Amino acid sequence: GESVGLHLPTLSVQEGDNSIINCAYSNSASDYFIWYKQESGKGPQFIIDIRSNMDKRQGQRVTVLLNKTVKHLSLQIAATQPGDSAVYFCAETRGQNALNFGKGTSLLVTP
Amino acid sequence: DTGVSQDPRHKITKRGQNVTFRCDPISEHNRLYWYRQTLGQGPEFLTYFQNEAQLEKSRLLSDRFSAERPKGSFSTLEIQRTEQGDSAMYLCASSGTSGMSTDTQYFGPGTRLTVL
Repeated sequence: GESVGLHLPTLSVQEGDNSIINCAYSNSASDYFIWYKQESGKGPQFIIDIRSNMDKRQGQRVTVLLNKTVKHLSLQIAATQPGDSAVYFCAETRGQNALNFGKGTSLLVTP
Repeated sequence: DTGVSQDPRHKITKRGQNVTFRCDPISEHNRLYWYRQTLGQGPEFLTYFQNEAQLEKSRLLSDRFSAERPKGSFSTLEIQRTEQGDSAMYLCASSGTSGMSTDTQYFGPGTRLTVL
């Protein structure tokens, strides 16, 4: 079936550096994309979302880029902090349907 | 706390027993979703309610699983005759009526089920 996947399962960055987490999706009908952060033992926490009529959206220290041509989504975290260490999931859907998640990227921030 | 809440947070049971989990969504949200997450994987969709109507079920939702949302507010997920393969984190999410084509789903803390 259609899938959402991540290019790298783990990412290690130094504190203060910028982080980029990538995600590929295959369902060209998807019109809504979202990034979640999940800490150990907790539920996914909303970070930022983007709709298919946009290419870029910025939040506080985070930016999501959407390239519909190559079906690619990325999450950029500026000035990564130790508190950013977590697993990051991208997910996609269309309408009010269920989210389709990828496996996740584990981000480790080292001092 | 105005977020999604789930109870219990942890449940340990013996194989063959029945278990029931509860989810209280964000109060103004009319959509409620159940997902299951196993270690190292992303959440997988189980079922979805709009108000009290169960609109969609995943093939993962075997006949041992049943979910209800009788008054369109809280929801329960019951697993009968639990198996070791049911061990997972059960996540609930809710979304509102912003008028947009898609509303953000906000997740609860999950219920960790361990079947011995």
